[in-house]
Amino acid sequence: QKEVEQDPGPLSVPEGAIVSLNCTYSNSAFQYFMWYRQYSRKGPELLMYTYSSGNKEDGRFTAQVDKSSKYISLFIRDSQPSDSATYLCAMKAAGNKLTFGGGTRVLVKP
Amino acid sequence: EAQVTQNPRYLITVTGKKLTVTCSQNMNHEYMSWYRQDPGLGLRQIYYSMNVEVTDKGDVPEGYKVSRKEKRNFPLILESPSPNQTSLYFCASSFTAGPSSGANVLTFGAGSRLTVL
Repeated sequence: QKEVEQDPGPLSVPEGAIVSLNCTYSNSAFQYFMWYRQYSRKGPELLMYTYSSGNKEDGRFTAQVDKSSKYISLFIRDSQPSDSATYLCAMKAAGNKLTFGGGTRVLVKP
Repeated sequence: EAQVTQNPRYLITVTGKKLTVTCSQNMNHEYMSWYRQDPGLGLRQIYYSMNVEVTDKGDVPEGYKVSRKEKRNFPLILESPSPNQTSLYFCASSFTAGPSSGANVLTFGAGSRLTVL
């Protein structure tokens, strides 16, 4: 079993819809939770990060962490075609080592 | 512009022919790392370096070597490439996290697509 599980998709939604992404994990030592966005032929770039449980909002993006369920989510409101990308969850305990999910490919259709 | 630069971006080679993928960052980051990305497997860490002359294995180090002689450079060496090393490779860097530090943001390069025939 992988340490971090993420549905590969693709997830296809119409423009303006809410995109809902999630990851589950097994390592209870993870404290820091991140979402990276990766456009085709580009490297991943950090979208959001949260520490421990709770919600964090940044514009159209909301990240949620539920440590009791070992489950994290990313919501994209009012999705745009420019949001079409692969979204990778990543998490870590103390230190530098990040563990990534496999990524979910998202397609937002005009 | 703050960035991580990888070269080459694309490479086709043959089994056994040694190659080096270079990585350079201009942000004075202590921490550098190499990942490979394969369909269904996500990003897997190959090697990382906490600082100059300090390197360590990641999750999939077999068949790779690295060196860190200068802070800005962290080349990935494939001494005898094999077809199972065909992949998309990413170099990344960040400031070094202490035991109780927060989320260190990794800056990734644009990737190097390697095909070994």
